[in-house]
Parts: sequence; structure tokens; C-alpha cells
Amino acid sequence: NAGVMQNPRHLVRRRGQEARLRCSPMKGHSHVYWYRQLPEEGLKFMVYLQKENIIDESGMPKERFSAEFPKEGPSILRIQQVVRGDSAAYFCASSPPMGGGRDEQFFGPGTRLTVL
Amino acid sequence: AQSVTQPDIHITVSEGASLELRCNYSYGATPYLFWYVQSPGQGLQLLLKYFSGDTLVQGIKGFEAEFKRSQSSFNLRKPSVHWSDAAEYFCAVGARIQGAQKLVFGQGTRLTINP
Repeated sequence: NAGVMQNPRHLVRRRGQEARLRCSPMKGHSHVYWYRQLPEEGLKFMVYLQKENIIDESGMPKERFSAEFPKEGPSILRIQQVVRGDSAAYFCASSPPMGGGRDEQFFGPGTRLTVL
Repeated sequence: AQSVTQPDIHITVSEGASLELRCNYSYGATPYLFWYVQSPGQGLQLLLKYFSGDTLVQGIKGFEAEFKRSQSSFNLRKPSVHWSDAAEYFCAVGARIQGAQKLVFGQGTRLTINP
């Protein structure tokens, strides 16, 4: 059973470009979470999704950031018109359904975004 | 609001010495607590978790943690560290949301091992 997969592992964008980060959860997992880790800081929750639904996006910046988890395919975190402050490591985690909150979140290796 | 504090940003210990990493949390209900380890350039690996029951929790790689409600603490311990334990350690509390939970992380403690 493959773990959580994220691609690309490293992404370089110039200011104003778009960044698309992909996350494939573990097999059988229907809950996906995105976290951001700024340099020298801990991870900060961004968004929690189930298939075709955004459940909690309280940690997402109000502008330029969006996330989706379609019925088929990976979850996508999209950052439009990137700025230097978006440079960070973005981690995806997944957990199985109906665990009542007691399930471990399994983390992917992260995508390290650098904005020039 | 939920929060986690790891008072020590960086700790250095000698190989074979004992280790304790501190973690204090703030959460209104009974907390779900976690310790994760992150090696350079890698994702996070779960060391151990506390949901309920025995307040002394055993994890992988010889780590353990003790939940102390009166002190709002969940300190991580290991009796004898190995050079391979050098990494960043994160304590987290699970804030429940609609059948799942979002993790609130501390700022991390970087562990360096002297040979």
C-alpha cells in the first residue's frame, strides 16, 4: 500500500505565476488535509477536504488560494499569482473515513515551493 | 483557541544520554495529542499518540510520552538517544472538526546529537 504521494517534490515559480500542488491520499482514505510549513516554523492547518467537498478551510488565505478533491484524481492545492511569501513546504495528509477523529493522519513528503 | 507550545527551540544531547522534549497545550476539551518527527527534507512520521486511557504512552523507536492533565503537558522522553534520532520534533493537538480533526502544531524542537 503506497503512502501519501505528493508531486512535484520541488516547484519553482516566478512572482505572478500559478502553482499547482497535487496530493494522492493513501488507498482507502477519503479525508485529505493540507498544511503549510514556513521556514523555521511548525505546520499550520490550511484546509480539510472529503471527496468533492471542502469541510473546513479556516486556515486558507482568503485570496489566491483554492483547494479541491474531485471524485476522481488527486487533491489539488492551487495558488494563483504567487508572491515570495508563499515560499514554503506544503504537506498533504490523509486519513480513513468515519474514524471519529481518532485516526492517524499520514503525511506525504511535501512539496517545497520557491517563488523567485 | 487551541495552541501548542514547545519551549525549547533547539536541544543538544550526547549519544546515549536521556532525552525529554517539553510540550504544553491549550484545549478546552479532552485533547488528542501527538508527537511527530521530521527528518531534513522529509515528511512527518508519527511517533505516538494519546486519545484516552493510560497516561503513559509508548511509541516507536523507543520513545514514550506522559499526559499530565494538571500541567497541560505531554512531554516526550527517551532513555538513551541514538545519532539517528537527530531531527525536528513536533507536538500537536487534534482539534475536532466534523468527524475528523485538524492538527495544531507547536513550533518544533530541533534535536542535535553529539557523538
